Amino acid sequence: NAGVTQTPKFQVLKTGQSMTLQCAQDMNHNSMYWYRQDPGMGLRLIYYSASEGTTDKGEVPNGYNVSRLNKREFSLRLESAAPSQTSVYFCAGRDRGLVNTEAFFGQGTRLTVV
Amino acid sequence: RKEVEQDPGPFNVPEGATVAFNCTYSNSASQSFFWYRQDCRKEPKLLMSVYSSGNEDGRFTAQLNRASQYISLLIRDSKLSDSATYLCVVLGIEGAQKLVFGQGTRLTINP
Repeated sequence: NAGVTQTPKFQVLKTGQSMTLQCAQDMNHNSMYWYRQDPGMGLRLIYYSASEGTTDKGEVPNGYNVSRLNKREFSLRLESAAPSQTSVYFCAGRDRGLVNTEAFFGQGTRLTVV
Repeated sequence: RKEVEQDPGPFNVPEGATVAFNCTYSNSASQSFFWYRQDCRKEPKLLMSVYSSGNEDGRFTAQLNRASQYISLLIRDSKLSDSATYLCVVLGIEGAQKLVFGQGTRLTINP
């Protein structure tokens, strides 16, 4: 039962480097989300995708791009990493079929930009 | 104004106490409401959905007040294992699927 899988789990980048965080779900979710979590800040929505082929900005989209490649995969790209992007990143999926369905999360990617 | 606001705490209460958290949301068209629990920076997990009529799950009771745009969580007879961060979550207009978290309230239950 894989659920929502994020890769990598840990990453250290140098300022200016680029990388893509991968997220895949096998739960047939329509909606997928990317969040970042900083100490004392809760989860802040970066981007989300209500369905395959659509993406929308969340609260803190600057410095990020996303791609909903297919129903299963939703990737987050940092084109030029900055120390301010040091954070824990969580991907989530949710079935939009019912109003009160829960979102399921991956285990997170801990990213440090030096 | 933030879309979802919570008192960040921290709350430190003795075992067996009753504790309540509130959360306010700004979008009156919001459709669904949830409480999530997060342990030690692990991934959040659903504690309970919040229904219009209020709902209870064992020691946990959730309430929704649409007129005042807030939701609440009550924990009775608190246990040491209830120590965690509690996150208020709001789903926007159903078609838009925007799922927004509050900043979380840190709860520590003391023996």
